[in-house]
Amino acid sequence: EVQLLESGGGLVQPGGSLRLSCAASGFTFSSYAMSWVRQAPGKGLEWVSGIIGSGDRDYYANSVKGRFTISRDNSKNTLHLQMNNLRAEDTAVYSCAKSRVGSVYDVLDIWGQGTMVTVSS
Amino acid sequence: DIVMTQSPDSLAVSLGERATINCKSSQSVLYSSNNKHYLAWYQQKPRQPPKLLIYWASTRESGVPDRFSGSGSGTDFTLTISSLQAEDVAVYYCQQYYNIPPTFGQGTKVEIK
Repeated sequence: EVQLLESGGGLVQPGGSLRLSCAASGFTFSSYAMSWVRQAPGKGLEWVSGIIGSGDRDYYANSVKGRFTISRDNSKNTLHLQMNNLRAEDTAVYSCAKSRVGSVYDVLDIWGQGTMVTVSS
Repeated sequence: DIVMTQSPDSLAVSLGERATINCKSSQSVLYSSNNKHYLAWYQQKPRQPPKLLIYWASTRESGVPDRFSGSGSGTDFTLTISSLQAEDVAVYYCQQYYNIPPTFGQGTKVEIK
């Protein structure tokens, strides 16, 4: 069964850092691009960042560029999101999602349940 | 960024009736080299992650009931639920994947009348 399981969320103060992880199983992880998508409480979906299968190319939303870094460890089937200089507006459920094929320019066919990040003093 | 605008924000439909959701992109999402529209639809039920329904504007994902269909071209697209079932109560999002960043519509909430 294809599965994505996020971890690492929590409460952090403004300006703080957090590292999210996403453990993948049930598919050949290195063959697919992966993304992080967030959803603020009661709001819609916002794509945050994506990375191709090899990890050689990454992409970011303008709202997080320079503060967040996506990475992947294909030997451990794990995706990460390092979040620095967090702001209140980063408060959201963060979900990892798998691209249907290898490109970031594709739909997201498998999603994790998400992990909650709350930025508050 | 490409802006995706859905209408209506919410709609209530009787069981067995048709539900129609519209999505408009701020620029074309047609890639001329393969003649495909980079437009998808997702369904999100409460406390669940989104589920992919439709991609390439009209291709149904495996396992999605055939009462769900997508249509449209250029900048205007439609998701139709031909006969609404109780389990279709959800928020529906369109998404363009033509450009980075991929962007979503604001969502349309579908309820039972």
